[in-house]
Amino acid sequence: AQKITQTQPGMFVQEKEAVTLDCTYDTSDPSYGLFWYKQPSSGEMIFLIYQGSYDQQNATEGRYSLNFQKARKSANLVISASQLGDSAMYFCAIKSTGAQKLVFGQGTRLTINP
Amino acid sequence: GAGVSQSPSNKVTEKGKDVELRCDPISGHTALYWYRQSLGQGLEFLIYFQGNSAPDKSGLPSDRFSAERTGGSVSTLTIQRTQQEDSAVYLCASSDRTGNGYEQYFGPGTRLTVT
Repeated sequence: AQKITQTQPGMFVQEKEAVTLDCTYDTSDPSYGLFWYKQPSSGEMIFLIYQGSYDQQNATEGRYSLNFQKARKSANLVISASQLGDSAMYFCAIKSTGAQKLVFGQGTRLTINP
Repeated sequence: GAGVSQSPSNKVTEKGKDVELRCDPISGHTALYWYRQSLGQGLEFLIYFQGNSAPDKSGLPSDRFSAERTGGSVSTLTIQRTQQEDSAVYLCASSDRTGNGYEQYFGPGTRLTVT
């Protein structure tokens, strides 16, 4: 069974600061992918970034980067230069290669203060 | 291009009634997923369709839940004899399985309230 743990139910950050959202995972599968999604108050889940378990480099997408530490089983999301529009719920998820379903964590509610 | 669409956006129904929720995936996406998001359970996988293969129904919580996908495109999730614990947001996602991560693109969801 796979499991995602997000230990920060809520975070408050000042605008323009960088923020790190924590995610640890548990899996016995040798090959898997890690995903981050953003869910604003409108409710839609927005895909942000993906990291494969065999990828040598940490994934980056614009202001988003994924700090992947395989030995620690962590896949933290880093948002640089935070903006007011970053305020949302953020979900970390895992999927085994060849499997279909995403397993989500409980999420972190991020609030950016002006 | 158009994203995943779902209808209705909100549905209020009485306990015991049947409901149908609809999902239109992104054109060309062969994989379609249903998830449920509720306060107590977080985001849960329900069912997965891929092309003409038999669906993966392993996440359906009871036999009151069923889903079909017609013509490899539109999907309908049906809940029979609704219960109050069925109240949740039902999210549909699709994927083209061509990206490295096979990332799933989600629709806006249907908020179901059972009174």
